[in-house]
Amino acid sequence: DIQMTQSPSSLSASVGDRVTITCRASQSISSSLNWYQQKPGKAPNLLIFAASSLQSGVPSRFSGSGSGTTFTLTISSLQPEDFATYHCQQSYISPRTFGQGTKLEI
Amino acid sequence: QVQLQESGPGLVKASETLSLTCTVSSDSISNYHWNWIRQPPGKGLEWIGHINNSGNTDYNPSLKSRVTISIDTSKNQFSLKLSSVTAADTAVYYCARAVTIFGVVGVFDYWGQGTLVTVSS
Repeated sequence: DIQMTQSPSSLSASVGDRVTITCRASQSISSSLNWYQQKPGKAPNLLIFAASSLQSGVPSRFSGSGSGTTFTLTISSLQPEDFATYHCQQSYISPRTFGQGTKLEI
Repeated sequence: QVQLQESGPGLVKASETLSLTCTVSSDSISNYHWNWIRQPPGKGLEWIGHINNSGNTDYNPSLKSRVTISIDTSKNQFSLKLSSVTAADTAVYYCARAVTIFGVVGVFDYWGQGTLVTVSS
């Protein structure tokens, strides 16, 4: 299985901050990397697919980059509704695997 | 707007079989891949497996010996059976739709709200 490792596991930030979350794959996954936002008690919500493509309806302050084994999710200016847990997920090969999550706190 | 809704018992006894159904509305189940994903309390997400409208399945090897996913296109439903459950199978179970992007299956664009299944001893 491809192991996905996110860093940091948790992050404290303030409204208006720029934050970056990193996801590393245990082997190359090309650009088959997706990002999800999950709020407490809710299902994950797709933000970014194929490493850098913004899902319809997602604010442009979210962006993704990377290829191969290292990827980043950037939020350019944090809004109150962005405090949540973020998960990366590879869709390169089965079984699809997720990172352990990054909790973004105020 | 695609909607998915999980249904099934919230409590299952150890060694028995967990059974859940996902009903898909506002879209035909005859396209895409339909997935089950779970999340133990306070932990990360684990992909269980998927099925397409032809009945072709793919399972996570870690669960493959205990998992069966089936589909009923006439009812717009797909189902999960997980046998011989233990406390480690206690989790929120999600159903989700996967789309194919650039030839790769596995971008989960629509999810059910999730249902907590507790395995009791």
